[in-house]
Amino acid sequence: TQLLEQSPQFLSIQEGENLTVYCNSSSVFSSLQWYRQEPGEGPVLLVTVVTGGEVKKLKRLTFQFGDARKDSSLHITAAQTGDTGLYLCAGAMAVSGGSNYKLTFGKGTLLTVNP
Amino acid sequence: KAGVTQTPRYLIKTRGQQVTLSCSPISGHRSVSWYQQTPGQGLQFLFEYFSETQRNKGNFPGRFSGRQFSNSRSEMNVSTLELGDSALYLCASSLAGTSYEQYFGPGTRLTVT
Repeated sequence: TQLLEQSPQFLSIQEGENLTVYCNSSSVFSSLQWYRQEPGEGPVLLVTVVTGGEVKKLKRLTFQFGDARKDSSLHITAAQTGDTGLYLCAGAMAVSGGSNYKLTFGKGTLLTVNP
Repeated sequence: KAGVTQTPRYLIKTRGQQVTLSCSPISGHRSVSWYQQTPGQGLQFLFEYFSETQRNKGNFPGRFSGRQFSNSRSEMNVSTLELGDSALYLCASSLAGTSYEQYFGPGTRLTVT
């Protein structure tokens, strides 16, 4: 069972369109991160959300953390071809109740923005 | 600051062989994690080292092992390679605070034939 479910798995849109990808779980996370990965490279951290209900904006990207800290969404406005990539969400959860944390990744949403 | 570096970038091995991958974290980062990425399973956590000690471990067989040196550099070893071990192996370093943000290297693409 996947701890973090991402949807959709694949998304192909035209430049200029808006889109939203989702990251859902039945577990509560201390924080949730979004990464983007381009072919042949490692994932790059986009944002970290920590507080339930938190909204963060990064230019045309808007990230929201659910009130219960179990889900998150990423909204892209006016997508550009440079937004193409694999978008991964990752939830951080404490291990053994201490200061040790473990990160769990979703399987990702592969976004293709066509010119 | 220099980013996370991994060597080698590409590797081709034969079933039954063993392989060692290397990772140099961002300066000042004491936590190093290893992940396996495949199209079917996505990004799966292998293990994490912090101050030369394995702190967390994923659900991988004992053929996968690692270590961390006093300068925080880390190595991952896979013994008795199987075809299913073909994957992109990613190393990530972190300051290991409560948000646990990961900074990834470019990965090592391992192909087992």
